[in-house]
Amino acid sequence: NAGVTQTPKFQVLKTGQSMTLQCAQDMNHEYMSWYRQDPGMGLRLIHYSVGAGITDQGEVPNGYNVSRSTTEDFPLRLLSAAPSQTSVYFCASTSGGGNTIYFGEGSWLTVV
Amino acid sequence: GENVEQHPSTLSVQEGDSAVIKCTYSDSASNYFPWYKQELGKGPQLIIDIRSNVGEKKDQRIAVTLNKTAKHFSLHITETQPEDSAVYFCAASPSGYQLIWGAGTKLIIKP
Repeated sequence: NAGVTQTPKFQVLKTGQSMTLQCAQDMNHEYMSWYRQDPGMGLRLIHYSVGAGITDQGEVPNGYNVSRSTTEDFPLRLLSAAPSQTSVYFCASTSGGGNTIYFGEGSWLTVV
Repeated sequence: GENVEQHPSTLSVQEGDSAVIKCTYSDSASNYFPWYKQELGKGPQLIIDIRSNVGEKKDQRIAVTLNKTAKHFSLHITETQPEDSAVYFCAASPSGYQLIWGAGTKLIIKP
């Protein structure tokens, strides 16, 4: 079972570059989300989606865009990378009935 | 809005001893409290959860207790083993899919 798959695993960007973190889930979950994880700050919600065509901002949305054209895919775009966006990014999908969140393996992003 | 505080930030226990991690929340409307375990280099994974109509839940060596009056809940791990070493996150859900996360506890099991 694939669950939640996110790519790339590791990426180094230069300040000002843009990139897209890919995320796909095969569990037919409606709710998907992106988090960033920084030392001592736990998990912070960037953007989320309650279904195809619907997205909304989380706690720390600035500098990021998302789209949800299909139930399966939820890519995260960094528009103009900044060193403050150096972090570990997790994509997640949530089961409809029990609120269980399934996380991807994470993407380690460094902006220099 | 909801705020979740988690303590301690680091916990070191001898193998075989018990470990307790505590979280407090602020919004009395929160009704769902999960605990996630994150192993090194991986995404968090749900290990146990509790809803507000229950005071305690156990699953083998893991238990969670909830005190709604005091607005705190705790994770208890008994007979700790090396594979319990990880970062543990608590969370509270004030509504729907929304989850507010604690900052995490790094649990170290000493051999």
